[in-house]
Amino acid sequence: GQSLEQPSEVTAVEGAIVQINCTYQTSGFYGLSWYQQHDGGAPTFLSYNALDGLEETGRFSSFLSRSDSYGYLLLQELQMKDSASYFCAVRDSGANNNDMRFGAGTRLTVKP
Amino acid sequence: GAVVSQHPSRVICKSGTSVKIECRSLDFQATTMFWYRQFPKQSLMLMATSNEGSKATYEQGVEKDKFLINHASLTLSTLTVASAHPEDSSFYICSARGGSEWETQYFGPGTRLLVL
Repeated sequence: GQSLEQPSEVTAVEGAIVQINCTYQTSGFYGLSWYQQHDGGAPTFLSYNALDGLEETGRFSSFLSRSDSYGYLLLQELQMKDSASYFCAVRDSGANNNDMRFGAGTRLTVKP
Repeated sequence: GAVVSQHPSRVICKSGTSVKIECRSLDFQATTMFWYRQFPKQSLMLMATSNEGSKATYEQGVEKDKFLINHASLTLSTLTVASAHPEDSSFYICSARGGSEWETQYFGPGTRLLVL
């Protein structure tokens, strides 16, 4: 089977740094993605890691360790608008059509 | 980035009505399209995957006779909820991907269905 584990909730203050971890278990692995979803909206793509290491895009960075089946999303200089749910997702090469499976999501609340 | 549209964005219907949701890739050819369902405060759950011109592959527990998927062209997939009931009320999101398995999956804006 396949599973993704991530914390259900995280709270932080404006300007702080937050790390959201994700561990996964799949029969195959094509890469780890992160999506942001605001209440009432659709998921928006943040980042994709296929290889080990850190990918940086502005205030957001994503890390992957394939040997540990682990990754994280790092959000720096938090802003109020970053309050949202963040989902890690794995494209499982062992699944039909290499479809993308999502974790349960981490709800981030940014406080003033 | 690539754009995926969905129509309608919101639908309210009576129990027993069939509802059709369209998903279009606007600037790329979507070889594969995915349909997800999301209940409040929960994650996205994959319902089915469709390849253009082929029958959809449904996830376990998803009734193919109730959730009819048609992927007639490389830019359009439709999901029809047959004889919708209140428990089908949910947020339905489609996603599309190009030809390569390495390509990013892009999501539509979602369709919020409320069955009375």
